[in-house]
Amino acid sequence: GAGVSQSPSNKVTEKGKDVELRCDPISGHTALYWYRQSLGQGLEFLIYFQGNSAPDKSGLPSDRFSAERTGGSVSTLTIQRTQQEDSAVYLCASRLGAGGGYTFGSGTRLTVV
Amino acid sequence: QKEVEQDPGPLSVPEGAIVSLNCTYSNSAFQYFMWYRQYSRKGPELLMYTYSSGNKEDGRFTAQVDKSSKYISLFIRDSQPSDSATYLCAMTATSGSARQLTFGSGTQLTVLP
Repeated sequence: GAGVSQSPSNKVTEKGKDVELRCDPISGHTALYWYRQSLGQGLEFLIYFQGNSAPDKSGLPSDRFSAERTGGSVSTLTIQRTQQEDSAVYLCASRLGAGGGYTFGSGTRLTVV
Repeated sequence: QKEVEQDPGPLSVPEGAIVSLNCTYSNSAFQYFMWYRQYSRKGPELLMYTYSSGNKEDGRFTAQVDKSSKYISLFIRDSQPSDSATYLCAMTATSGSARQLTFGSGTQLTVLP
């Protein structure tokens, strides 16, 4: 597609439920990143994919968070047993390769009530 | 202490003013510096990208990097109401695909008509 597409754009969930967030990167972009943006905070790195593998998942805050990428394209970020502190905007970005800039999606605004 | 510090503002200026936005950082390994603009409920978009110390100009925007002081700036000349957004600085030590960016918390700018 023309840009990075994320769905849903908004998600309200009850504490303790699992959620799945989807990212559809720009076609042909091999690198994919997930970041989290909390109110008044900068972007916090979560995980990086190169193709289908995740060489850097150092930013995942707990084992409740996981992500996968299939076919070198779509990625899903899963949060299990959501907590109120998980409320944030989850941003996905893709990049063609070394030397290219990141292109971000519009994010998924997650609210845990 | 955060690796990247950025004054959150808010900053309000009249149309036509020169705007100065700044970040300081502590990691001397950072070599690549970026400025992103983020409109409300949108993902960040890349404005400026610079390597090492020096100046870079693009239209009304000028980015400055002073590695000796660990200080970067973004200047906006002849500011317009359409420049009203949150501006995020970002930086990284490496240029390869695996690089993750470290972001400042963002400065909220309003340009008044």
